[in-house]
Amino acid sequence: GDSVTQTEGQVTVSESKSLIINCTYSATSIAYPNLFWYVRYPGEGLQLLLKVITAGQKGSSRGFEATYNKETTSFHLQKASVQESDSAVYYCAHRNNYAQGLTFGLGTRVSVFP
Amino acid sequence: DPKIIQKPKYLVAVTGSEKILICEQYLGHNAMYWYRQSAKKPLEFMFSYSYQKLMDNQTASSRFQPQSSKKNHLDLQITALKPDDSATYFCASSQEGANYAEQFFGPGTRLTVL
Repeated sequence: GDSVTQTEGQVTVSESKSLIINCTYSATSIAYPNLFWYVRYPGEGLQLLLKVITAGQKGSSRGFEATYNKETTSFHLQKASVQESDSAVYYCAHRNNYAQGLTFGLGTRVSVFP
Repeated sequence: DPKIIQKPKYLVAVTGSEKILICEQYLGHNAMYWYRQSAKKPLEFMFSYSYQKLMDNQTASSRFQPQSSKKNHLDLQITALKPDDSATYFCASSQEGANYAEQFFGPGTRLTVL
C-alpha cells in the first residue's frame, strides 16, 4: 500500500536558523501524484501549508518551500529562517488517485526557541 | 465562522455501545471524508463520499458506517465499540473536479472507549 515517511518525532531549532523536514513517499500508482504539507499550530486545526501536483514543481507558502522530486519520490519541506510562530506539527501527505483519501506521515513536531 | 463543524468535541463511550459522530461542512464542497488518528499512528483515511455516494472505503470493519442525509453532512456511526476504537476522528471535505482538490479538515472528535 501507499506510505509516507517523514522526519520522526521532534525537531528543535533556534530562531532564524534553517529547517528541513524530510519526506519520502511510496505509492502503488504514481500516475497523478498530489503532494501536500499540512500544519497544525498549537490550539488550531489541521490546515494546508502548500501543495504540488507536478514533478519538479515547487510549492511555497509562509516562507516554506518544498519541491516534488519524482526520481527520489521525495518532497522535503524547507525554510531558510524560522520564527517562533513556526512552532507546530507538520504533516507530509500524498494522494495519487481521484476520489481517494490522503496518506499521511506521522507528523514532525517543530519547536523554535528564541 | 467554522467551515467544518464536528460534534461532539469529546466523547466517552463504554465497550459494546454505539455512537454517532456528526460532521457538517459549509464550504459548498461535493466530497467529504473521514479520517482517524490513533495514538502513535498517522492520520488514517477511512471513507470518501462524492455527491453523497460512497467512493472509497478503506475501513475493514463494518462496524463503521458513514451516513449522508444531506449533501453537506457526513456522519459516522460506530457500533459495538471497542477500546481500540479510541482515537480522534476527523472529517474533511474538498471540491472534486477542481485543481489540486485540497482537503479541508474539521477540528476532530476525540473518542475514548472504556
